[in-house]
Amino acid sequence: GAGVSQSPSNKVTEKGKDVELRCDPISGHTALYWYRQSLGQGLEFLIYFQGNSAPDKSGLPSDRFSAERTGGSVSTLTIQRTQQEDSAVYLCASSSDRATIYFGEGSWLTVV
Amino acid sequence: AQSVTQLDSHVSVSEGTPVLLRCNYSSSYSPSLFWYVQHPNKGLQLLLKYTSAATLVKGINGFEAEFKKSETSFHLTKPSAHMSDAAEYFCVVSYAGGTSYGKLTFGQGTILTVHP
Repeated sequence: GAGVSQSPSNKVTEKGKDVELRCDPISGHTALYWYRQSLGQGLEFLIYFQGNSAPDKSGLPSDRFSAERTGGSVSTLTIQRTQQEDSAVYLCASSSDRATIYFGEGSWLTVV
Repeated sequence: AQSVTQLDSHVSVSEGTPVLLRCNYSSSYSPSLFWYVQHPNKGLQLLLKYTSAATLVKGINGFEAEFKKSETSFHLTKPSAHMSDAAEYFCVVSYAGGTSYGKLTFGQGTILTVHP
């Protein structure tokens, strides 16, 4: 596609439920990143994929968070047993040369 | 380790006057530096980037930034503000090294307000 596509754009879920967030990177981009933007926390790095492998997952906040990438393309970020502090905008980004990184518009997650 | 400090959380200017958004960085390696803009309820848009070529970088919408290694700064400027420039601006550093190649570290953001 023309840009990084994320779905859903908005998600409201009950505390304790699992959620999946999807990212379609720009076609041909081998690098894929997940970031989280929370009020008062700024933008936090979560995980980086190069192809299907994740050389850097140092930003995942707990073992409730996991991510995978298949076929070197689509990535899914899964949050299990959601908590209210997980409410944030989850941003996906992709890059072909790691010098220019393009962001999607984000998935707005609200845990009630 | 790398870090970014945006020196002002809020900047307010009048339309038609210059804009200066300040950023200092710290990086153990030769950094790549970026400015991104985020309009309300929108995604992040790349304004400009520095990747060790020319130290004065021109971006979109009339913005430019100058990389000053001696001052570890990468301030964003625009000669004349427009109402549509009102947004939040992020200074970002990335470095090429180890397994975190391309990993971005964001500043805390500067909210730019433009008055008529």
